[in-house]
Amino acid sequence: AQTVTQSQPEMSVQEAETVTLSCTYDTSESDYYLFWYKQPPSRQMILVIRQEAYKQQNATENRFSVNFQKAAKSFSLKISDSQLGDAAMYFCAFLPGGSNYKLTFGKGTLLTVNP
Amino acid sequence: SAVISQKPSRDICQRGTSLTIQCQVDSQVTMMFWYRQQPGQSLTLIATANQGSEATYESGFVIDKFPISRPNLTFSTLTVSNMSPEDSSIYLCSYRTVSSYEQYFGPGTRLTVT
Repeated sequence: AQTVTQSQPEMSVQEAETVTLSCTYDTSESDYYLFWYKQPPSRQMILVIRQEAYKQQNATENRFSVNFQKAAKSFSLKISDSQLGDAAMYFCAFLPGGSNYKLTFGKGTLLTVNP
Repeated sequence: SAVISQKPSRDICQRGTSLTIQCQVDSQVTMMFWYRQQPGQSLTLIATANQGSEATYESGFVIDKFPISRPNLTFSTLTVSNMSPEDSSIYLCSYRTVSSYEQYFGPGTRLTVT
């Protein structure tokens, strides 16, 4: 079974600064996908970024980027130039390759952005 | 990504009653899922909704309590039966794309049982 650990229950950042959210996972799978989701107070789960395990290059989506360290089973999310709208709960998620597997979520990190 | 909607967005229900939550996707999708998110918690998978057959339930969830329908490739319902205050949660519908393995979520239904 896979496990996903987010060791930071809460984080805060000043507006316009950079913050990094941590995520580690445990798996014996060689083919898998990793995701970061954002859940603002509106409760809508929003897919922020995706990383395929077979890709060495770190994924980037505008101000969001990941640091994927496969050997260390680490998948951190960096938010640059933080904005007030980035305040939300962030969930790291793991999905083994194959169509019948289930998405496993971490417990989440609550990010506060201070003006 | 396809647009996914849920109805109702929230409801307050009496103990012992049932509520059916509807999930609609604006294009055909193969895999649909139902999740529960208890207050301040992460998401827990209730079941995979299979088109044309019974849903596949996760440990701790049973069909009598959470019956699911999936009549076609764009629609699913989750019923929360014989509700108790412990059922107060957010219920989220989700679908996964086969090509990219990305999974998208509906806006959620906030259920309060009194």
